[in-house]
Amino acid sequence: EIVLTQSPATLSLSPGDTATLSCRASQNVNTYLAWYQQKPGQAPSLLIYAASNTATGIPTRFIGSGSGTDFTLTISSLEPEDFAVYYCQQRSNWLYTFGQGTKLEIK
Amino acid sequence: QVQLQESGPGLVKPSETLSLTCSVSGGSTTTYYWNWIRQTPGKSLEWLAHIYSSGYTNYNPSLRGRAAISVDTSKTQFSLKLNSVTAADTAVYYCASGYGFFDFWGQGTLVTVSS
Repeated sequence: EIVLTQSPATLSLSPGDTATLSCRASQNVNTYLAWYQQKPGQAPSLLIYAASNTATGIPTRFIGSGSGTDFTLTISSLEPEDFAVYYCQQRSNWLYTFGQGTKLEIK
Repeated sequence: QVQLQESGPGLVKPSETLSLTCSVSGGSTTTYYWNWIRQTPGKSLEWLAHIYSSGYTNYNPSLRGRAAISVDTSKTQFSLKLNSVTAADTAVYYCASGYGFFDFWGQGTLVTVSS
């Protein structure tokens, strides 16, 4: 099973800042990596798929990058609604795993 | 846009079978992959199983053969059964669509395993 390690666990920033979230895979996942945002009491929602493709309706301030084992989600000019928990997820053959999440909180 | 809605009992006794159904609207279960994912309190997300309309299935090995996923294309629904449940199966269960990544999700349903 491929393990995804997200860092940091918590990121404290202010609106207008740029957030950089990391996801590291224990094995090569090529670009089979997605990012999700989850707000309290809600289901996760897809932000990025195939490492760098933005899902429909997602603002351009969300940018995904990386391949192989190291991936980054960059959120520029943070808006108040961006403060949430972010998860990465990979597909290895037919087995999917998620990272443990990064909580983006208001400083 | 596809919309999904989970339904099922919120409380299941230990050793019994958990049964959940996901109703799909705005899309057809005759194509695409349909998934179950759960989130335990305070923890991350765990993919459980998926099914294609042809009946092709895959399961997370962590379930140790306790799960069965099925699809009813005539009713645009798919279901999950998880037997021999324990307190460790207490979680919010989500249904979701997609292969490789999950583009549409249900709102989730909390299932508590307790006597």
